[in-house]
Amino acid sequence: NAGVTQTPKFRVLKTGQSMTLLCAQDMNHEYMYWYRQDPGMGLRLIHYSVGEGTTAKGEVPDGYNVSRLKKQNFLLGLESAAPSQTSVYFCASSSQNQPQHFGDGTRLSIL
Amino acid sequence: AQTVTQSQPEMSVQEAETVTLSCTYDTSENNYYLFWYKQPPSRQMILVIRQEAYKQQNATENRFSVNFQKAAKSFSLKISDSQLGDTAMYFCAFPGGSNYKLTFGKGTLLTVNP
Repeated sequence: NAGVTQTPKFRVLKTGQSMTLLCAQDMNHEYMYWYRQDPGMGLRLIHYSVGEGTTAKGEVPDGYNVSRLKKQNFLLGLESAAPSQTSVYFCASSSQNQPQHFGDGTRLSIL
Repeated sequence: AQTVTQSQPEMSVQEAETVTLSCTYDTSENNYYLFWYKQPPSRQMILVIRQEAYKQQNATENRFSVNFQKAAKSFSLKISDSQLGDTAMYFCAFPGGSNYKLTFGKGTLLTVNP
């Protein structure tokens, strides 16, 4: 049972490039989330989804887009990467009233 | 809006001793959950303990226990018999609203010294 899997684990981009981070969960969870973690800031919610085909903005959504075409997958896109988006990104999933399960994170550097 | 405050950016404790990490939160909800997560140097987010607000009994998981004071909106984590493997960043988290979005505190870096 893999739980929550994030790909890639590391990535370096140049300013203005685009990329997509993939999150996959095999626990049949309804809820999925994307967070970013910066030093001294804890984890901040970027976007989340309460079910297949639905997405919503979190605390820091600007510069990101998401899609949940399949229940098990939640994609995070950066259309035009900026140095301020250098961070560690975590995906998580959960079912109702249960703790969130996290992926191992993606370290993204924007030069 | 929910807020979570961890007032201790860093703490240290000697191996085998007890340490308490503090967390306060603000919410207008009555029924909710609270979590403590641990993030070791490996960067994984690991659930340590969970407390349901409607339960008066404090949650316990082996060496980890909480002191939950609902009226004071306080949710502290006590680690007994500290071990070197407890060295990590600890986050208090509160899932607010019907979508169970987690609001995290900024974390407390705990170092267990031999």
